[in-house]
Amino acid sequence: EAGVAQSPRYKIIEKRQSVAFWCNPISGHATLYWYQQILGQGPKLLIQFQNNGVVDDSQLPKDRFSAERLKGVDSTLKIQPAKLEDSAVYLCASSLHWTANTGELFFGEGSRLTVL
Amino acid sequence: QQQVKQSPQSLIVQKGGISIINCAYENTAFDYFPWYQQFPGKGPALLIAIRPDVSEKKEGRFTISFNKSAKQFSLHIMDSQPGDSATYFCAASMAGGKLIFGQGTELSVKP
Repeated sequence: EAGVAQSPRYKIIEKRQSVAFWCNPISGHATLYWYQQILGQGPKLLIQFQNNGVVDDSQLPKDRFSAERLKGVDSTLKIQPAKLEDSAVYLCASSLHWTANTGELFFGEGSRLTVL
Repeated sequence: QQQVKQSPQSLIVQKGGISIINCAYENTAFDYFPWYQQFPGKGPALLIAIRPDVSEKKEGRFTISFNKSAKQFSLHIMDSQPGDSATYFCAASMAGGKLIFGQGTELSVKP
């Protein structure tokens, strides 16, 4: 079974530029998550989708971050304009289950963003 | 109240020893406590999980001990091996809620 696919793996941009990350979840997984992992910290949830609807985006900095999940499958996360503090690994995860307390989250390898 | 506090930040253990990582939480509504293992350059992967109706769960060399009254839980790795060297995250969640991760523990097992 193919895992969660993410691209690009690495991206270096200047501050105030824009960047987009793509995620393809495990086939059949209805729930998709984007997490931000700053170096030395645990992952922090940015947004959770159930099919193509948003379940939780309370910690998404909406003035610069946006995310969409068209047709309930692939998802993109965009940052515009980027700030230095956005340097992090952006992890995409998917799950069969409707809520995070009922089963395993499967993570991709992440997209590492460096903002100069 | 939504935090999960994890300690220690880093841990060095000799091969064959026991690694112990501790976590504490405040929100009594949490009802699912997984541990994730992350190797460099990889995403976290589920290692073992527990619900608060049991005090201990064991899977191979990995054991979760859960103390509901103290609102604490811990991961024990018996007979630690160099291949166990990774970062370990405890986490907590509740019905309808997000999965909240601790700050992580970087484990190094020396041969």
